[in-house]
Amino acid sequence: QKEVEQDPGPLSVPEGAIVSLNCTYSNSAFQYFMWYRQYSRKGPELLMYTYSSGNKEDGRFTAQVDKSSKYISLFIRDSQPSDSATYLCASRGGGSYIPTFGRGTSLIVHP
Amino acid sequence: DGGITQSPKYLFRKEGQNVTLSCEQNLNHDAMYWYRQDPGQGLRLIYYSQIVNDFQKGDIAEGYSVSREKKESFPLTVTSAQKNPTAFYLCASSHYDNTEAFFGQGTRLTVV
Repeated sequence: QKEVEQDPGPLSVPEGAIVSLNCTYSNSAFQYFMWYRQYSRKGPELLMYTYSSGNKEDGRFTAQVDKSSKYISLFIRDSQPSDSATYLCASRGGGSYIPTFGRGTSLIVHP
Repeated sequence: DGGITQSPKYLFRKEGQNVTLSCEQNLNHDAMYWYRQDPGQGLRLIYYSQIVNDFQKGDIAEGYSVSREKKESFPLTVTSAQKNPTAFYLCASSHYDNTEAFFGQGTRLTVV
C-alpha cells in the first residue's frame, strides 16, 4: 500500500462547478500536507500547504485535513478551464522532511 | 528572480550513453531532491541531499548517480545501467525544516 493514495481520474466537470479532490494517507506521523498543481509538461507548483488538521483558504481554493480519518481534500470553487491540470497531494512528517506524493488526479474543466 | 532551473528541457540519449541533467537553485535551500515521473505512477524519489557533500538514495536509485559539491547545484547522471531511462525528471528543493518543496520545470529524457 502506498503511503499516500490518490484517484488518478480523470475528473471532468463543467465550468463554474465546485471541485473536490481527495487523498488518503496511511502514516499517522504525517503532519504537513501540501497540494501541487501541474500543467502538462511543466513542473508542479505549490498551491497550498497545511499543518495538522483543519482548513485553509486561499481565494477559490480550500485545503482541508482530517487527521482522524487520514483524509486530505482540496476544494476549488467556481472552477475555470485554466484549472485543468493534474493535482498532486503530498504529506510529510514523523521526523522525515521528504514529502511523499500521491499519483495525482487529472482534472478537466470544460467550458 | 529566485527559483530552480533545470536544463536542458528536452534531452535525447542513445542507448549505452551516460547523460547528466542539471539542477541549480538560488533559493538558499538546504535540501534538494530528484524525482522521476512516469504516466500513472506519480513522483518517485531517486536521490536526495540534505547538505553539501552528502546525499542519500531514494526509492529508485539504481542506474542513477548524483553529486552535491555546492549548495546551489545537484546534478543527476543517468547511467547506461538504468534499464528504462525515458521519463520526465523533476528537481526540487526545500529548507531542511520547511514543509514546502519547490520544483523546477523538468527535463524530458528520451532514449533513442
